[in-house]
Parts: sequence; structure tokens; C-alpha cells
Amino acid sequence: QKEVEQNSGPLSVPEGAIASLNCTYSDRGSQSFFWYRQYSGKSPELIMSIYSNGDKEDGRFTAQLNKASQYVSLLIRDSQPSDSATYLCAGTGYSSASKIIFGSGTRLSIRP
Amino acid sequence: NAGVTQTPKFQVLKTGQSMTLQCAQDMNHNSMYWYRQDPGMGLRLIYYSASEGTTDKGEVPNGYNVSRLNKREFSLRLESAAPSQTSVYFCASQGDRYEQYFGPGTRLTVT
Repeated sequence: QKEVEQNSGPLSVPEGAIASLNCTYSDRGSQSFFWYRQYSGKSPELIMSIYSNGDKEDGRFTAQLNKASQYVSLLIRDSQPSDSATYLCAGTGYSSASKIIFGSGTRLSIRP
Repeated sequence: NAGVTQTPKFQVLKTGQSMTLQCAQDMNHNSMYWYRQDPGMGLRLIYYSASEGTTDKGEVPNGYNVSRLNKREFSLRLESAAPSQTSVYFCASQGDRYEQYFGPGTRLTVT
């Protein structure tokens, strides 16, 4: 079973600090990875995609991919209360890129 | 540009009733997906369609059927609803780099 694993949290971070979310995956052939944000009662929203080793920055968000260690991370700088949500990590499967494998999500809470 | 739309937003069914959830996308994507999400749990793939005219089972297909009506529309049918199908249902479409875009969801309760 190909899996994407995340710590379910909750992860509590003070406002203004860096929130660090981590994800590991078991399919060594996975090529593409994504981070989704899901507010309570809403649908998942794509916030970052990363396709190669290294860092990718977009505003306050940085995604990091290390294929050798099979982990993906998301850093949120200057955390705001509006960042409080569940963050889903996802990756493509090598055998079928048509199917995305989602982790069960990490609940992030930003405390004022 | 509405992205992915779903109807209805809410539905209550009695056990044994049938219904169809509708999904449409305006992004000209080939692949579309149906997921369910239960409280405190992740997304589970029900069915997907990699292209118009094709459909495949996902992780939890039992009790569901799908139709890829055309490139834009992908519907999910519950033939005989059961309380275990109480869930939130999300439709998604997939872009060229495998990124998925989700609809707003349908909250279904089966009593």
C-alpha cells in the first residue's frame, strides 16, 4: 500500500512564528507533491506544488522536497490566525500518476 | 471561470433512496475524481475518470456508480443509500501537472 503519512497534530504555533509541517511518503517513484489547506467545513485548496528536490517559495510559504529521504515539508513564515486549518500533503504514485495519494492531514492552530 | 462546481450542496436521504451528485469543471481538464471525507479522516477515492469515456474504481467504490457524461461533467450515483454513506463528497479535476482542484462539496446524510 503506497502511503503518505503526516502527524495529525494539532500543532500549535504562536502568531508570527514559523510553522513547520512534515510529510513522509513510501513510494520511492513518486514524482510530484502538493500541499492543500482545508478550513473546517470547506474543500481542500491547493497552496503549493513541488516537483523537484529543493525549496520552492511562494510568499510566506516554502515547500521543501527531499526525494532521497522521501519527505516533503511546508514552512509557513510569520504565521497568522488565518493560517489555522488542516494541511493535507499529497503525492502522485509512480505506477499511476492519475491517482493522487493524500495524507490524513495535520491540524494547525495559530495562537494569538 | 467557476472552476469545479457541485450540486447539491446538502442532501438528506432515507435508507434505500437513490440520488445523483453532479460535478462540472470549466478548466478543460481530462481527469476528474470523486472522493469522500468522513469526520476527522482523510480523503478516500471512490472513482476517477482519466479521460472522457473511461472510469476506474478507487479505494472505496462499493455502493456507487459513476458516469463521465462528457469532458466537463462527472456524476456520482448512489443506487440504494445506506447510513454508512453519510459523508462529505468532493469532486476534483486534475491539471496537466497532476495538481487537483476541488469543488465545494456535497454534505450527504442518510437516515
